[in-house]
Amino acid sequence: GDSVTQMEGPVTLSEEAFLTINCTYTATGYPSLFWYVQYPGEGLQLLLKATKADDKGSNKGFEATYRKETTSFHLEKGSVQVSDSAVYFCALHNNNDMRFGAGTRLTVKP
Amino acid sequence: SAVISQKPSRDICQRGTSLTIQCQVDSQVTMMFWYRQQPGQSLTLIATANQGSEATYESGFVIDKFPISRPNLTFSTLTVSNMSPEDSSIYLCSVERGGGYTFGSGTRLTVV
Repeated sequence: GDSVTQMEGPVTLSEEAFLTINCTYTATGYPSLFWYVQYPGEGLQLLLKATKADDKGSNKGFEATYRKETTSFHLEKGSVQVSDSAVYFCALHNNNDMRFGAGTRLTVKP
Repeated sequence: SAVISQKPSRDICQRGTSLTIQCQVDSQVTMMFWYRQQPGQSLTLIATANQGSEATYESGFVIDKFPISRPNLTFSTLTVSNMSPEDSSIYLCSVERGGGYTFGSGTRLTVV
């Protein structure tokens, strides 16, 4: 079945560092891909999404490009802030089924 | 995207008791989804709730433990029955809207 594999955490960065969280997927057909963020003590919020190959989702300085040839949807941000500390989940939606990666905890230190 | 109000936001419960979690959506939706997020884990789908029919449960989840109601197209409840410490988790409801999923803020349940 469909699955999502994302980079294991935790990830600790200094403020203004470059962030990459890797995500790869296995799916039949043409899934939509998502990144969700979960701040401490809160539920999940949609961060960005891409619905077809070569689409780039972006929000709050974060970007991810839907790469069908490498089945990847890596999350990037050029300069992280302390307020970006959270758990990030990669997810795919395909055939009315939603699958989540295990989550990557990011801590940004001042 | 849809706005979901979920309550309670957190609760501490005694083992053997039950807790009912409510989700209210700001517009009509066909399907509502209930997820569990155990400490340090990703999300696991418990069941899909359709209005006017019984919920569809995923493997490992049963109606007697997690009864669900869906009385109309904007509201659903999930009950965690006969709780044990292993039920301590975050429970989230979700709806599909505009090609993505929107989540409630979650209910953080601690069973003591």
